[in-house]
Amino acid sequence: QVQLVESGGGVVQPGRSLRLSCAASGFTFGSYGMHWVRQAPGKGLEWVASVWFDGSDKYYSDSVKDRFTISRDNSKNTLYLQMHSLRAEDTAIYYCAREDYYAGGYWGQGTLVTVSS
Amino acid sequence: EIVLTQSPGTLSLSPGERATLSCRASQSVSSGYLAWYQQKPGQAPRLLIYGISSRATGIPDRFSGSGSGTDFTLTISRLEPEDFAVYYCQQYSYSLYTFGQGTKLEIK
Repeated sequence: QVQLVESGGGVVQPGRSLRLSCAASGFTFGSYGMHWVRQAPGKGLEWVASVWFDGSDKYYSDSVKDRFTISRDNSKNTLYLQMHSLRAEDTAIYYCAREDYYAGGYWGQGTLVTVSS
Repeated sequence: EIVLTQSPGTLSLSPGERATLSCRASQSVSSGYLAWYQQKPGQAPRLLIYGISSRATGIPDRFSGSGSGTDFTLTISRLEPEDFAVYYCQQYSYSLYTFGQGTKLEIK
């Protein structure tokens, strides 16, 4: 069965960096686009970034452009989100999701990032 | 960027009733790339509907989606106790995705 497991979250000071990972299993990872979506405490969903199945194209929301980088290693079945210059407003649960039909067909359980001094 | 506005913000209904949730886009959603999700407390979102009206795998047929252009609807024909949750619409266009702010469906 499809499984997505995020890791790498934690408490980080403003201005610092953090890298999230999403380990995929149960499907041919290299055949699917992938997304990062976040959810601030008590708030709605916000799309963060997407990457094509082969990593050739990447897209970002305006709120993270130039600070976050999405990448993937298809040999390791792993998706990444490198986050720099973190701000308090980046505090959220970060979910990875598999692209299905221009939507998020499968989601991980999320990893919490808290940006605080 | 296409902005999605969901209404109402909160919907109070009883089990067995029909629920109608609305999602309006600030401009036409290209090629019908409109999806709906359900999220329960402490859980990840679950895809219900994609491509405006196609049910995702394992989704009961009491859930249906409709609409076109800028106006879309998620209908739950007869509410079951497990349907009370927050629902989000989401669109894809020009390689960007956006979500609506959500509708909370609560038990009356």
